[in-house]
Amino acid sequence: SQQGEEDPQALSIQEGENATMNCSYKTSINNLQWYRQNSGRGLVHLILIRSNEREKHSGRLRVTLDTSKKSSSLLITASRAADTASYFCATEIRMDSSYKLIFGSGTRLLVRP
Amino acid sequence: EADIYQTPRYLVIGTGKKITLECSQTMGHDKMYWYQQDPGMELHLIHYSYGVNSTEKGDLSSESTVSRIRTEHFPLTLESARPSHTSQYLCASSSTGTGEQYFGPGTRLTVT
Repeated sequence: SQQGEEDPQALSIQEGENATMNCSYKTSINNLQWYRQNSGRGLVHLILIRSNEREKHSGRLRVTLDTSKKSSSLLITASRAADTASYFCATEIRMDSSYKLIFGSGTRLLVRP
Repeated sequence: EADIYQTPRYLVIGTGKKITLECSQTMGHDKMYWYQQDPGMELHLIHYSYGVNSTEKGDLSSESTVSRIRTEHFPLTLESARPSHTSQYLCASSSTGTGEQYFGPGTRLTVT
């Protein structure tokens, strides 16, 4: 992807462990969002962090944003087998008079029971 | 659970056929989008609409067309399907002023 690159591409952990996924981008953003996708399904919005925010929490999710490094991380604490899915970061950038959401390539998370 | 629906969920069709993928949302959102996603890959925006009678092409060139005659309805049409159109098509919507997009379950299209 020209804008969003995610790392790692795949992650396998044991239930109860924490999972960390990273996202890097290239241009200035309005906000950064994380989505989850179960196999063969649509995406579900998890959390949005604005460019002037540094950290945000939602349940077992913690997102950080470092605009100086143009990077974000998603931490899932105390993972569960049900967290198995692909996770995508998406950056909202300004294009002419509108905003566009550009998705990264995703991290495939496997949580082993 | 988002109130955005796509039909059909799965479609297998022969080359040259005309198809329409349906997308409807009941949230009154102004903005609607179509993305194309190959298995395990990122999403590519192929069409979007910011309101009735407004449609634009996205980043990924697509031979499909869209229409937006009603706020809640954003169908995508392929006049002549080809094997290269085999992919998953995801519809999404959002409300003006927020960044969050709501996605439908997707249509998995296979062209033989």
